[in-house]
This record gives sequence, C-alpha cells and structure tokens, in this order.
Amino acid sequence: DAKTTQPNSMESNEEEPVHLPCNHSTISGTDYIHWYRQLPSQGPEYVIHGLTSNVNNRMASLAIAEDRKSSTLILHRATLRDAAVYYCILVYNNNDMRFGAGTRLTVKP
Amino acid sequence: NAGVTQTPKFRILKIGQSMTLQCTQDMNHNYMYWYRQDPGMGLKLIYYSVGAGITDKGEVPNGYNVSRSTTEDFPLRLELAAPSQTSVYFCASSVPPRPQHFGDGTRLSIL
Repeated sequence: DAKTTQPNSMESNEEEPVHLPCNHSTISGTDYIHWYRQLPSQGPEYVIHGLTSNVNNRMASLAIAEDRKSSTLILHRATLRDAAVYYCILVYNNNDMRFGAGTRLTVKP
Repeated sequence: NAGVTQTPKFRILKIGQSMTLQCTQDMNHNYMYWYRQDPGMGLKLIYYSVGAGITDKGEVPNGYNVSRSTTEDFPLRLELAAPSQTSVYFCASSVPPRPQHFGDGTRLSIL
C-alpha cells in the first residue's frame, strides 16, 4: 500500500500562510493525492485533491512536486477555525482511503 | 440537504451486547463506507458498499457486519460487543472519483 508521511504537529500564527508537507515516495501513477481535515469532534472534511498539476480552490492550494513524491497543502491565511488534524491520503482506488495519523495544526492568535 | 446522518451520537454497551449503528445519506451516492477511529489515530475502513446489495470488507472487518438494502441506508452491526470495539465510528458516502462526505460520528464505549 502506498503510504504517506506527515509531521505529527505544526504551529502557525493567525493570518499567516501555512505550508503542510506530505511525503509519498511510493506513489503510483494512478494515485490521486487527497487532503482532508478533521476538526475536533467532527468527521473528516474534504479540502482538496490533485493528480499531477497544482490545484487551487476556495479553501486551499495544493502544490505537487514534479516527481509526485511529495506535496504541500497551503493555507494562504490561517484562521483559528483552521486548527484541525490534516490528513494527506493517496487514493489508489475509489474504495479504500488509508488514513495516517495526520498533522495536528495549532493556530495561535 | 442533511448529507450523511448517523445515529445514535453516543452509546454505552456492555460486553457481549449487540447493536446497530445507523447511517443514512440523502445525496443519492452509490458508494458508502464505515470507518472506525481510535484515540489519536487515523480512520480505518471497516466495510464499504458500491451500491444496494453489494458490500465488501475493508481493512478491519472482524466483529462487524453490514447490509445495504437501499441506496440511502448502510447500517453497521456489532453482534458481540468487545472492549476493543470502543471507538468513534464514521460513516461516509461518495460518487467516485468525487470526495467522500462524512457524518459526525457515533461514539461507542463498551464496558
């Protein structure tokens, strides 16, 4: 199974950009890179996903390395509401998303 | 739209009891999933379904059963509750390759 490696925790100041890294050196050519986040006492929430090209949406940006062995989730201006656990997941078929422990993001006012 | 609705939100069971965790979605998604999340860990897939009448095992299916008689509902059954099944259970649905939508979870304690 293709796996991802993320830092256990990161801190950010409010209204500053946050770059959350993810390594996935064993990614296969058909794996999509998905990011979800989980706020306290809630289910995971979809953030963004991509295959090869960088992606932007209203929540975040996803930068994918040219060799696809790593990616970075970018929150352009962190808010207190962005404090959550962020999961980087390789989706290699539609039936099985393997969650790691994720990165716990703390946002300081 | 309500999205994915799970009931109950909390439950305490005694060892050996059985119960059914309910999950329903109103988005007409064909795929549905059950996950469990232990403290400080990521989610693990228990079972999934690609449509009514079709189910398949995920990563940690032992001790659980599922059925999918309708598109909307995907109940998870615990037949003989064990302390190791104390966890938070999440149901999700999707229309691949679109993202999964999750419910708010059922917090289950087995004593």
